[in-house]
Amino acid sequence: EAGVTQFPSHSVIEKGQTVTLRCDPISGHDNLYWYRRVMGKEIKFLLHFVKESKQDESGMPNNRFLAERTGGTYSTLKVQPAELEDSGVYFCASSQQRQGTNEQFFGPGTRLTVL
Amino acid sequence: AQKITQTQPGMFVQEKEAVTLDCTYDTSDPSYGLFWYKQPSSGEMIFLIYQGSYDQQNATEGRYSLNFQKARKSANLVISASQLGDSAMYFCAMREGTLAQKLVFGQGTRLTINP
Repeated sequence: EAGVTQFPSHSVIEKGQTVTLRCDPISGHDNLYWYRRVMGKEIKFLLHFVKESKQDESGMPNNRFLAERTGGTYSTLKVQPAELEDSGVYFCASSQQRQGTNEQFFGPGTRLTVL
Repeated sequence: AQKITQTQPGMFVQEKEAVTLDCTYDTSDPSYGLFWYKQPSSGEMIFLIYQGSYDQQNATEGRYSLNFQKARKSANLVISASQLGDSAMYFCAMREGTLAQKLVFGQGTRLTINP
């Protein structure tokens, strides 16, 4: 079974440009999450999808960030326009809709550098 | 207030020794879950172990065990018989409540196993 995949693995852009990150969750996982880790700081939650609906977007930093999950499969996270402080590693995770552990499986992350 | 605190930015341990990674948490919700993830240099986040707040026994998974002290609000990870491949960043995380899904992470501990 394939794990969570993210594309691209690295992205270097200039301030003011637009970048779109993609996440493919594990097949059958209804829950999809975005997190990011800014250099030297803890990993922070951005938002949570259940299928195609945004369940919790309390962690989205501002309206320059737009996440979508059309059809409840893969998700995209667009940053427009990118700022220097957006640099960091963006992780996607997915989990099944169930009780108990509800372990989140993480992708390898996308390292975003804004120059 | 910091929800998850990992006080050890870095630790160095001799191969085959046991190691304890500290994690304290702060929540007023009686229902919560605690997770440990490992992040090797390759970047992916690997789930290690889970402890539910109502679990009576400490969680164990192979060489990993969780020393759960509820009254002290601590959830330390114990790795027995450490191996060179255990060198990585280790993150403690918490999920609060029964409905919330997002994880709150600590800043991580970088563990280095010396031969």
